[in-house]
Amino acid sequence: QVQLVQSGSELKKPGASVKVSCKASGYTFTSDAMIWVRQAPGQGLEYMGWINTNTGTPTYAQGFTGRFVFSLDTSVSTAYLQISSLKAEDTAVYYCAREGDSGNADYWGQGTLVTVSS
Amino acid sequence: QPVLTQSSSASASLGSSVKLTCTLSSGHSSYIIAWHQQQPGKAPRYLMKLEGSGTYNKGSGVPDRFSGSSSGADRYLTISNLQFEDEADFYCETWDTNTRVFGGGTKLAVV
Repeated sequence: QVQLVQSGSELKKPGASVKVSCKASGYTFTSDAMIWVRQAPGQGLEYMGWINTNTGTPTYAQGFTGRFVFSLDTSVSTAYLQISSLKAEDTAVYYCAREGDSGNADYWGQGTLVTVSS
Repeated sequence: QPVLTQSSSASASLGSSVKLTCTLSSGHSSYIIAWHQQQPGKAPRYLMKLEGSGTYNKGSGVPDRFSGSSSGADRYLTISNLQFEDEADFYCETWDTNTRVFGGGTKLAVV
């Protein structure tokens, strides 16, 4: 069965960096794109962008350029989200999700809470 | 780009039915959407893909109580025989070659 397992919660100071991992299993990793979604405390889902798992090409949504980087390690079927120069407003749960054959997100990771606080 | 509009909240009684609405913006009424459920403290879960024709395809393990329908720019999620476990936030999603958007979500209370 398809599973996306994300790394654990992180507590970081402003200005630091964080790298969140999303390990996929149960399907061919390079067959389906990986989507990243942010959910700030008490807020809705916000699309961050996606990465082509075949070519490694990332595409970032508006508002997620510059400090946000999507990457892959296909040898271990894992996608990564790195955020640099962290700010308090980056505090959120970050989700990876597989883009299914129809184009929608069809499987979600369990989420990674990133807390930015001094 | 498309915009999805959802009511912020809804409530219904245990054992009854509820119909949640997601409205596509002008010029995007033919778009396919997906519905996702997010129970408190949990990750979202994919429920179904829903076309403008009303045809829907559910994700693995989604109970028969969940169904979809469409009318014009409106996409509906109907939950019948409501259970307390159905109390959750429900999000619609749509996409095209350039972007992906989520609706603001509807918080469903089962009373």
